[in-house]
Amino acid sequence: AQSVSQHNHHVILSEAASLELGCNYSYGGTVNLFWYVQYPGQHLQLLLKYFSGDPLVKGIKGFEAEFIKSKFSFNLRKPSVQWSDTAEYFCAVRRGNAGNMLTFGGGTRLMVKP
Amino acid sequence: NAGVTQTPKFQVLKTGQSMTLQCAQDMNHNSMYWYRQDPGMGLRLIYYSASEGTTDKGEVPNGYNVSRLNKREFSLRLESAAPSQTSVYFCASSDPMNSWHGYTFGSGTRLTVV
Repeated sequence: AQSVSQHNHHVILSEAASLELGCNYSYGGTVNLFWYVQYPGQHLQLLLKYFSGDPLVKGIKGFEAEFIKSKFSFNLRKPSVQWSDTAEYFCAVRRGNAGNMLTFGGGTRLMVKP
Repeated sequence: NAGVTQTPKFQVLKTGQSMTLQCAQDMNHNSMYWYRQDPGMGLRLIYYSASEGTTDKGEVPNGYNVSRLNKREFSLRLESAAPSQTSVYFCASSDPMNSWHGYTFGSGTRLTVV
């Protein structure tokens, strides 16, 4: 069965520190990859997505992610975090032959200290 | 504003009680989904409806039923609530017929079963 793993469950950073959140998936075929963000008390919002082409994708609020097919990874990065980035981040994968189904990782809770 | 609307936002039930969570979208999306979110487990799919008139089980369907009332509405019913169903429930929709942007999420229903 396909799984999506986010190995960091909780991350605490100071403002201006660099961020990298890991995401690995287990499916070997064509995939579409997503990162969603959930700010405290809010619903999930799309941060960025990868369908094809340039494996380095840029999203909103200075976030980017790199698809490394050989490592089955889609890590999220931001060079300098802000207090307002405090949120929970979810990686999600859609298999090429799975219709519209998204499988989510367990989430990473990020706290940025001012 | 266009989007996914869920009601209620909060609910407390006693064990054995029943209730229906409502979800409606006004984006003319074909597909709708119900997820539950639990700490450390990310989002798990309960049921989905690929199109009007169809529903299918997801990863954790036990204890739930769904109805795709029309293209706009997709309800989730708990026939006999159990404490294990204490969770945050999110409804989502997507339109696979156009360029695929992932899901649009509702704001969630926080359910506590005592």
